[in-house]
Amino acid sequence: NAGVTQTPKFQVLKTGQSMTLQCAQDMNHEYMSWYRQDPGMGLRLIHYSVGAGITDQGEVPNGYNVSRSTTEDFPLRLLSAAPSQTSVYFCASSYWGTDTQYFGPGTRLTVL
Amino acid sequence: KNEVEQSPQNLTAQEGEFITINCSYSVGISALHWLQQHPGGGIVSLFMLSSGKKKHGRLIATINIQEKHSSLHITASHPRDSAVYICAVYGTGNQFYFGTGTSLTVIP
Repeated sequence: NAGVTQTPKFQVLKTGQSMTLQCAQDMNHEYMSWYRQDPGMGLRLIHYSVGAGITDQGEVPNGYNVSRSTTEDFPLRLLSAAPSQTSVYFCASSYWGTDTQYFGPGTRLTVL
Repeated sequence: KNEVEQSPQNLTAQEGEFITINCSYSVGISALHWLQQHPGGGIVSLFMLSSGKKKHGRLIATINIQEKHSSLHITASHPRDSAVYICAVYGTGNQFYFGTGTSLTVIP
């Protein structure tokens, strides 16, 4: 199993650009989630999904969109990048929230 | 407001010492997770608890649901234990809430 994969590892954007962070898992997990990690703030939930076709907002959803068309993939879209979205982004998956969480390696995003 | 509070924020220990990291939470939960993040950035899950106590090697995690408190203990600490330890709770509404982490440094 590859586990949870994320691409790209690093990205630099200019303000106003859009992009998609990719996340995929091969463990047939129902629960997938996106987090951002900022110094002194800890991990914060952006969006999550409890299965294909079902997504919901987390603590900090503004400026981000998600979709879940398959069990395996959960892409995160930045619609119009802003410097405040400079962060490290992690994707995670599990069978459910009460099961072991598996994290991707992270994407370091800088918005200029 | 912080749904999850961890203490201490930073901890330095001598090799071999017994270490305790605390986590308090204010929301109703289905489960509590302890995570480890090494300086390289990768995050791994150490424990998932819904009650009682779990032990993996030198690591022990406990939870008191009534007091809304959990502790992570490391016995006979080693420099390779140096990492950030993060408490996360899976609360109502299928959402996770995280503490800001405890940065542990174990000195040889």
